[in-house]
Amino acid sequence: EVQLLESGGGLVQPGGSLRLSCAASGFTFSSYAMTWVRQAPGKGLEWVSTISGTGDRTYNADSVKGRFTISRDNSKNTLSLQMTSLRAEDTAVYYCAKPVSVANGLDAFDIWGQGTMVTVSS
Amino acid sequence: QSALTQPASVSGSPGQSITISCTGTSSDVGGHNVVSWYQQHPGKAPKLMIYEVNKRPSGVSNRFSGSKSGNTASLTISGLQAEDEADYYCSSYASSSTLVFGGGTKVTVL
Repeated sequence: EVQLLESGGGLVQPGGSLRLSCAASGFTFSSYAMTWVRQAPGKGLEWVSTISGTGDRTYNADSVKGRFTISRDNSKNTLSLQMTSLRAEDTAVYYCAKPVSVANGLDAFDIWGQGTMVTVSS
Repeated sequence: QSALTQPASVSGSPGQSITISCTGTSSDVGGHNVVSWYQQHPGKAPKLMIYEVNKRPSGVSNRFSGSKSGNTASLTISGLQAEDEADYYCSSYASSSTLVFGGGTKVTVL
């Protein structure tokens, strides 16, 4: 079964850091670009970051550039999101997502994790 | 990276058809055939319903269909059912290798 399982969420103070992880199983992880999408409480979906299958290319939303770093370990089938200089507006459920196609990582996502909640508050 | 524009809410009676619009620009919806639609029930992860404008993933009911004209994409749900009540989001690839989502539409089955 194709599965994504996020972890690492929690409560952090403004200006703090947090590292999220996403464990993938059931598919050839290294063949697919992977993406983080977030959803603030009661709000819509927001694309955060995407990383290529080999990890050599990353793409980030303007709202997180310079603060968030996406990475992956293909030997461990794990996707990560290192978040620094956190702000209240970063409070959200963070989902990792797998695209439908190996050819386009910024296409549609057919597999989503259950999400991990990040709360930025003092 | 401006969000795509969706109506806040759409409603219909069981058995009816409804259409949700998703308006962008020539840099996203109008410029690429990479529009997707997601269904999200409360407390759940999004579920892919349509990709590449009008393709349905395996297992998605054929009551769901997608189309695009110019800078506006649309999702049509025919034969509306109670379980279709959910939030729906569109997304599109955008120039400069980014992805943009719509603000979401709440579908209510009357």
